Amino acid sequence: SAVISQKPSRDICQRGTSLTIQCQVDSQVTMMFWYRQQPGQSLTLIATANQGSEATYESGFVIDKFPISRPNLTFSTLTVSNMSPEDSSIYLCSVEVLAGENGDEQFFGPGTRLTVL
Amino acid sequence: GENVEQHPSTLSVQEGDSAVIKCTYSDSASNYFPWYKQELGKGPQLIIDIRSNVGEKKDQRIAVTLNKTAKHFSLHITETQPEDSAVYFCAASNSWGKLQFGAGTQVVVTP
Repeated sequence: SAVISQKPSRDICQRGTSLTIQCQVDSQVTMMFWYRQQPGQSLTLIATANQGSEATYESGFVIDKFPISRPNLTFSTLTVSNMSPEDSSIYLCSVEVLAGENGDEQFFGPGTRLTVL
Repeated sequence: GENVEQHPSTLSVQEGDSAVIKCTYSDSASNYFPWYKQELGKGPQLIIDIRSNVGEKKDQRIAVTLNKTAKHFSLHITETQPEDSAVYFCAASNSWGKLQFGAGTQVVVTP
């Protein structure tokens, strides 16, 4: 498994501002992901954070709105830019870890609970 | 792309009874099916997973079954306890860790 921490754990922000969320993992991992979980909903993949290159975004998500950094194999940031109330969600970092001969498993951080007023 | 449907959306069970959650997927290339438990205010926790080369996997009170032909998989929780109360998500993946999640099932275990 992997121990994943996120900062901040929660925040309340004003519309039009930006928030950067940090994700730190206790071991080097190849794959890191960012998900959004809107209130009472399931998880939706925002992007794959690639080390040394630009993130790969899913349909409906763009770099200008959700810029991502991945400076090394243990850390990534997600910025939610020019926020509106519709951005109020839980933002989750996840990592893929090799689980021996059984293949890879994906673990999630505790999430960042964002409220935009 | 992959589409995962999950039923039921809510499930209320008496403590000690069994709970079953079912998911179907659309992409026949999917080969990895994890289940996550999410408690209030926490991130999803991987509780069990199954890969397409097996039909069933057990871990204490939790089991998962997979029917590749029918493209469905299920989570079984036996002897439920109040601490099993949470939202459970199924997911499917066919490449590079891109998980497609079901809508989730709110499980309530009443004493």
